[in-house]
Amino acid sequence: AQKVTQAQTEISVVEKEDVTLDCVYETRDTTYYLFWYKQPPSGELVFLIRRNSFDEQNEISGRYSWNFQKSTSSFNFTITASQVVDSAVYFCALPISGNTPLVFGKGTRLSVIA
Amino acid sequence: ETGVTQSPTHLIKTRGQQVTLRCSSQSGHNTVSWYQQALGQGPQFIFQYYREEENGRGNFPPRFSGLQFPNYSSELNVNALELDDSALYLCASSFLGEKLFFGSGTQLSVL
Repeated sequence: AQKVTQAQTEISVVEKEDVTLDCVYETRDTTYYLFWYKQPPSGELVFLIRRNSFDEQNEISGRYSWNFQKSTSSFNFTITASQVVDSAVYFCALPISGNTPLVFGKGTRLSVIA
Repeated sequence: ETGVTQSPTHLIKTRGQQVTLRCSSQSGHNTVSWYQQALGQGPQFIFQYYREEENGRGNFPPRFSGLQFPNYSSELNVNALELDDSALYLCASSFLGEKLFFGSGTQLSVL
């Protein structure tokens, strides 16, 4: 069965620090997608990234970067030079099949303190 | 381009009542799914609709039911409400199962 584990429940950092959010997954599929979503206090889940299991290259988008390692079934997310606006709950997710629907981890609550 | 909108934003019901939550999909999206998010947990998949037919369902009892309309808007109905149904209900739309776009949710409290 599909499963996503986010072992870090809450992380607190001081502004401008780098922070890495961990995600470990289990899947029965040989090819699959992985996702990260952000949930600010407003409640809406905001899409951050989708990665295909074929592509193990690390990806960087501004202050965000993702480290996908198929060998360890991990898809970690790093925020460089964190800002107060990054404070949110971050979810890693894996499709039940295809692209959707998604199985989510329990989330990591990130607090960035000024 | 309008995003996913949900109504109402908050709702209070009592045990045994029935509730209907509504969702308007993002323009151009033909697939809608619903998720339940209990406090401190990740969203859990309830069901998904494509072209007005349910095409996937999570581990939720039959008292959770839904509809998708020709304009791709959707409803989630919950009968015989239980205390454990208290949660944030999120609607998400997508085009042909591509990445999901979520609404801000309906916070349901069952007393």
